[in-house]
Amino acid sequence: GESVGLHLPTLSVQEGDNSIINCAYSNSASDYFIWYKQESGKGPQFIIDIRSNMDKRQGQRVTVLLNKTVKHLSLQIAATQPGDSAVYFCAEMTSGTYKYIFGTGTRLKVLA
Amino acid sequence: NAGVTQTPKFQVLKTGQSMTLQCAQDMNHEYMSWYRQDPGMGLRLIHYSVGAGITDQGEVPNGYNVSRSTTEDFPLRLLSAAPSQTSVYFCASSSGHLYEQYFGPGTRLTVT
Repeated sequence: GESVGLHLPTLSVQEGDNSIINCAYSNSASDYFIWYKQESGKGPQFIIDIRSNMDKRQGQRVTVLLNKTVKHLSLQIAATQPGDSAVYFCAEMTSGTYKYIFGTGTRLKVLA
Repeated sequence: NAGVTQTPKFQVLKTGQSMTLQCAQDMNHEYMSWYRQDPGMGLRLIHYSVGAGITDQGEVPNGYNVSRSTTEDFPLRLLSAAPSQTSVYFCASSSGHLYEQYFGPGTRLTVT
């Protein structure tokens, strides 16, 4: 099985509940942020992104909130489903640097 | 449309051996990057490229070389493998550096 994420923080939620995954980013100059989902044995998969000129962005069942004052990003998943079980990463970039910095990830476990 | 492909899926090397991890994309993406993923850590950027003929170092470039002779291909070369390079390697591409990245399935490398 996948050995990545052995010591990750874990969020356990009941199926049907809403999930909130948090991320503290490091660089106040970062102006582009992405959330990724990674299932065991697979590469990361894009969920949603947000640019620094926005505070909130919504997708299908997901919402990303950006608080630049405290350098905090959150991912909200509505009506969490078993298929949402995975490791979730945030990533930040500062325009012009061309370099993404990834957070360490949070494991989401959905309980039936 | 195959997306991002990586070969091989698994590789075992002895210390001091060299090898090339292959990455190709068929989406005409300009931005490509290589990451390594270690247990309990997020993805760390090794090298990236903003277009054919242009490459630059990421966060952890030591021990790795890249080239970008075509838009499609972005191989990663390990010059002299060390046990510290045991990891899962992911290649990613995007239409620009501020757009969602598409990740390949990864190469699991073990150096003994």
